[in-house]
Amino acid sequence: DAEITQSPRHKITETGRQVTLACHQTWNHNNMFWYRQDLGHGLRLIHYSYGVQDTNKGEVSDGYSVSRSNTEDLPLTLESAASSQTSVYFCASSGVNGGPLDLSTDTQYFGPGTRLTVL
Amino acid sequence: EDKVVQSPLSLVVHEGDTVTLNCSYEVTNFRSLLWYKQEKKAPTFLFMLTSSGIEKKSGRLSSILDKKELFSILNITATQTGDSAVYLCAVRYSGAGSYQLTFGKGTKLSVIP
Repeated sequence: DAEITQSPRHKITETGRQVTLACHQTWNHNNMFWYRQDLGHGLRLIHYSYGVQDTNKGEVSDGYSVSRSNTEDLPLTLESAASSQTSVYFCASSGVNGGPLDLSTDTQYFGPGTRLTVL
Repeated sequence: EDKVVQSPLSLVVHEGDTVTLNCSYEVTNFRSLLWYKQEKKAPTFLFMLTSSGIEKKSGRLSSILDKKELFSILNITATQTGDSAVYLCAVRYSGAGSYQLTFGKGTKLSVIP
């Protein structure tokens, strides 16, 4: 079955290290998104991409970067991890090819999340 | 200023109660409103609403959109402990090639036996 996966599911790292979180979807969706979720803030958009070679900054993009070299993957990189980046990170996708419920491009489908702790 | 506002932020009810969750939004370039349920994992899709006054229903859950008053409600009847979750409201604002969703902070629902 088509799906969206994230890895690792849990990660502990130290301040200043570079960290990359992976996101992979098999729906052939054009649109992919990275969010972070923190208590009191809900889901906040970090970066997003509408296709190969396209990347855009979201609401909280400082300290993060993404690259889109193919349709299936949008890795998120923390260039120099900071304690303020301790959070749960979700990847999502949407697209004209539908998803599990085959709805419109409005509906985003979420990966299982990565819990990142920066010490 | 928040573009999507949910209320209440948290709610505790007993099994069998009926609950109503609220979501208000800004009108500019509104395209659609979505509800998600989040247990201790990823948000899962519940409903998408685009037209005013048309109820979407799935079992004990239902939702309706009021585009005049700029809000949506999510109703859950005969609540069960399995309904305990954070319910997220999100709005897609239209624009050239814009597929982003703006999320509210969520309503945490706790259903106690």
